[in-house]
Order: sequence, then C-alpha cells, then structure tokens
Amino acid sequence: EAQVTQNPRYLITVTGKKLTVTCSQNMNHEYMSWYRQDPGLGLRQIYYSMNVEVTDKGDVPEGYKVSRKEKRNFPLILESPSPNQTSLYFCASTPQGLSNEQFFGPGTRLTVL
Amino acid sequence: AQSVSQHNHHVILSEAASLELGCNYSYGGTVNLFWYVQYPGQHLQLLLKYFSGDPLVKGIKGFEAEFIKSKFSFNLRKPSVQWSDTAEYFCAVRGTGRRALTFGSGTRLQVQP
Repeated sequence: EAQVTQNPRYLITVTGKKLTVTCSQNMNHEYMSWYRQDPGLGLRQIYYSMNVEVTDKGDVPEGYKVSRKEKRNFPLILESPSPNQTSLYFCASTPQGLSNEQFFGPGTRLTVL
Repeated sequence: AQSVSQHNHHVILSEAASLELGCNYSYGGTVNLFWYVQYPGQHLQLLLKYFSGDPLVKGIKGFEAEFIKSKFSFNLRKPSVQWSDTAEYFCAVRGTGRRALTFGSGTRLQVQP
C-alpha cells in the first residue's frame, strides 16, 4: 500500500531533550516536507527536500533540523525542544513536480513540557 | 510571497444545506490551487485541485470549486452536505516557480443531523 508513515504518533517529552520524528514513504517520491499544524494557523511548512541531500527552509524552520540521506526517509530533529514546539506535525511527499498532490502521513502529536 | 486567506473559521450547517467555503490567495503569477480535507483524527486528504483549463473543478464526494482569476478566489462548494462532511477544510496554493505549498488557516465545518 502506498503510504507515508510517521513515528511516533504521540510523544510527550520535556524541554531540552533531543528527539527525532521519523517519516518514511514507499512511493519513490522526490519531494518531501514537514508541516506543523496549530489551531487557527493551519499548516505551516517547516522544512522541505527536493531530493536526496537537498533540503531547504520553509516558513517556520527555527528550532528544527532535517536530513535526507535516503530518498524514502526524511526525519525531523528537534535538538532542544521547547514548549512552543508543542504541535501536531505532518510529513508529506509528492512525486516530481509540485503541482502534483501531496500525500500526508498520519501526524505526530508532540507535547513538550 | 504567496498567501491564502480562509475567511470562514467555523461553519455550522444542517444536513442537506448547501455549502460554500471561501478561499482567496495572494500571488502575482500563475498558481496551482488545492482543497484538502481533514476528518477528525485523520490526516489530510486531497479533495480537488486546479492546475489549468476549466476553472470549475470537480472533486471527490460531490465537492467542486471554481477558480475566479480576477477575484483571486477558489471557493469550495457542495450542493447538499451530509453529517459525514464534518471535518476541517484547508485551501492551499502554490505559485508557479515556487517550491512551497502555502495553506490557509482552515475552516471547521460542523454538519448537524
């Protein structure tokens, strides 16, 4: 089944404790991105990647890192999480050509205490 | 910069009522436009998309949207809503030549039986 998977789905952590949210897609898509969803703000793009080893900042990159060592994986790294990073995070992938549909993962709900 | 405005934040309708959700975008060039739906507890799914051609676009589940270039609008419509349409709806835009997809803040639709 073609899909985007994220792990973990739920995470409660404390300020300053490094964490990684994994994202994997099995559709051989070139483009992948991370969004955070907050009430009243919709989805805001954190980082995106056009292909392996090619990443760039989205609208709200502060406090986040990403890597794209393999085509299928695009982990989101929070080196020192803070409470304002409490949010719902979505990973998405798209085949080459951004006019195509973005396929979203199930989301990761992160709480930073 | 590209931006999207969804003016209706929360809409409550009775079953069989007609629906129109507003979406206006800001971008100086050619755009690709999307409507996504997020059912409670689920990830985003594509309802419909506009790239070019006929400005009236039909999507899944009886939804349609009309692109009016002169008004920079891409409103979502459905003639008769069902309780199962209760969800959050997001309009998104991508300007040609840009890499990022920009989402609106979302409209929460509540359909009462």
